[in-house]
Amino acid sequence: GAVVSQHPSWVICKSGTSVKIECRSLDFQATTMFWYRQFPKQSLMLMATSNEGSKATYEQGVEKDKFLINHASLTLSTLTVTSAHPEDSSFYICSARIPTFSGELFFGEGSRLTVL
Amino acid sequence: DAKTTQPNSMESNEEEPVHLPCNHSTISGTDYIHWYRQLPSQGPEYVIHGLTSNVNNRMASLAIAEDRKSSTLILHRATLRDAAVYYCILGSGGGADGLTFGKGTHLIIQP
Repeated sequence: GAVVSQHPSWVICKSGTSVKIECRSLDFQATTMFWYRQFPKQSLMLMATSNEGSKATYEQGVEKDKFLINHASLTLSTLTVTSAHPEDSSFYICSARIPTFSGELFFGEGSRLTVL
Repeated sequence: DAKTTQPNSMESNEEEPVHLPCNHSTISGTDYIHWYRQLPSQGPEYVIHGLTSNVNNRMASLAIAEDRKSSTLILHRATLRDAAVYYCILGSGGGADGLTFGKGTHLIIQP
């Protein structure tokens, strides 16, 4: 099946620094990718929709200046958490859908961010 | 987004069938019923999806009520590796929409 890969799988950073997470579709081109965040023992929350070649669409309540999304190519989207603080510590997951296939979303392995 | 209702948790024995229910009484005519599962510290994994007719694949079966207001995910023979949180989600069949996850059902498999 199609594969979506994230890097890094985990990262620890100091408060105030910025962290970049990459999401790649390995064997298909994804014009649209989705970024989710998941806090411990909670469900996934859709943060934003990443569109290749254009600006991301953010869900209500998600700060676009804090969570910078870049979708520069059909196989790569990046999420940068700027000036990270401990409350940004979470599990970040990206996903993508094969454009010609209906329904199925492929998810990355997730990236666990811990801000000290 | 139309909402789904699932039991918080269910328990089953290994090698027995498991029926995971989902209620979606406000489903619209164009909503597909999607099921995903998530193992601890991993991204969700697609299980199955359908619109009106029952669906089967190598992982599971999806039984959809005639009025589409409820559905059941069937794992025919549960293994320990099936222990996960199962999410029932309504959404479009394709296109550019992400999926909105609810709380899901935590499935526990006893050996």
